[in-house]
Amino acid sequence: KAGVTQTPRYLIKTRGQQVTLSCSPISGHRSVSWYQQTPGQGLQFLFEYFSETQRNKGNFPGRFSGRQFSNSRSEMNVSTLELGDSALYLCASSSMGQQTTGELFFGEGSRLTVL
Amino acid sequence: GENVEQHPSTLSVQEGDSAVIKCTYSDSASNYFPWYKQELGKGPQLIIDIRSNVGEKKDQRIAVTLNKTAKHFSLHITETQPEDSAVYFCAASSHGSSNTGKLIFGQGTTLQVKP
Repeated sequence: KAGVTQTPRYLIKTRGQQVTLSCSPISGHRSVSWYQQTPGQGLQFLFEYFSETQRNKGNFPGRFSGRQFSNSRSEMNVSTLELGDSALYLCASSSMGQQTTGELFFGEGSRLTVL
Repeated sequence: GENVEQHPSTLSVQEGDSAVIKCTYSDSASNYFPWYKQELGKGPQLIIDIRSNVGEKKDQRIAVTLNKTAKHFSLHITETQPEDSAVYFCAASSHGSSNTGKLIFGQGTTLQVKP
């Protein structure tokens, strides 16, 4: 079974630009969560989508948004980039079914650098 | 707000020794406590988890203990090996729900196992 796939793996943007990151979950997984990882703040929850609906949202400004498609693939978008948005953005999928274990399966992340 | 404190931030042990990492959580409604291992350039990977109805769980060289009253849980690694060197994160489910992708993570512990 293929794991969680995130694209692109690396990208460089300048302040004020916007970026879209993509995540393909493990086949059959309907829950997709996004996390931001930085050396200073650690792993912080951005949002979670389940069956195309946002189920949870973290404490990030409205510049951070996401969506999920009918095939469970998800995208997140960051508009008006700031230097502080430089981070590793991790996507995680989960089965969250009737016999859920709660386990999150993480991708390898998209490393965003804002100059 | 929800918070998970993790200690120590760095831990260096000799191969074959034991390693212990401790976490404290603030949300008394949390009921799911996973531990993740993150190797360089990779996403976090679940190594063991425990639910609030269990006090201890063991998987080969890895064990986790949970004290609900004190709101803390610990990871124990015995007979450490160089391949155990990585960053370890504890986490707690948010709002007492283990059936979502929202986890509150500790700051991480960098474990170094010296051969």
